[in-house]
Amino acid sequence: KQEVTQIPAALSVPEGENLVLNCSFTDSAIYNLQWFRQDPGKGLTSLLLIQSSQREQTSGRLNASLDKSSGRSTLYIAASQPGDSATYLCAVRRGTGANNLFFGTGTRLTVIP
Amino acid sequence: DVKVTQSSRYLVKRTGEKVFLECVQDMDHENMFWYRQDPGLGLRLIYFSYDVKMKEKGDIPEGYSVSREKKERFSLILESASTNQTSMYLCASRGQGRNEQFFGPGTRLTVL
Repeated sequence: KQEVTQIPAALSVPEGENLVLNCSFTDSAIYNLQWFRQDPGKGLTSLLLIQSSQREQTSGRLNASLDKSSGRSTLYIAASQPGDSATYLCAVRRGTGANNLFFGTGTRLTVIP
Repeated sequence: DVKVTQSSRYLVKRTGEKVFLECVQDMDHENMFWYRQDPGLGLRLIYFSYDVKMKEKGDIPEGYSVSREKKERFSLILESASTNQTSMYLCASRGQGRNEQFFGPGTRLTVL
């Protein structure tokens, strides 16, 4: 069974810093990987989707990379802002079936003004 | 933009009540999902549906049922609510192929 791990569970950084969030998965035979953001008490917002054939995806200040062979993905956030404070989750999709999305437990990010 | 909406943000029910949670998506997605999210346990899949009137059990279907009579709507039913079903319930949808999964805003259900 695919296991997805996100370390650290929580991270605090001062405003303006660049930071990296980590996601690792045990089975490299993935279909794609998706990064989400969740604000307290809210649903998940999709940030980036990386297909298995891609190495990275960028959206604004966010850059996600994927290294399938080592079972890792990183989410890079440039010039962090207090509004970036949230929990970030990664999820791995293993195949084409509808139910096979495996979630990490998330990293809670706090950006200190 | 994909929009997934859920009928209630907050819901308080009593033990033994029948509870309906509604989810609607506007992007003609084939796949729809119900998850619950609990501290320390992450997101767990309850049920999913890949087409109208089709449903499959997820990891924790006990105590729940679902209904999908129209493509855009997926309902989660708690036949007889219990206190251990107090949780955040999240609906999601996804199109066929290599697509993103989109989530609704969540329903915080409290069963007293």
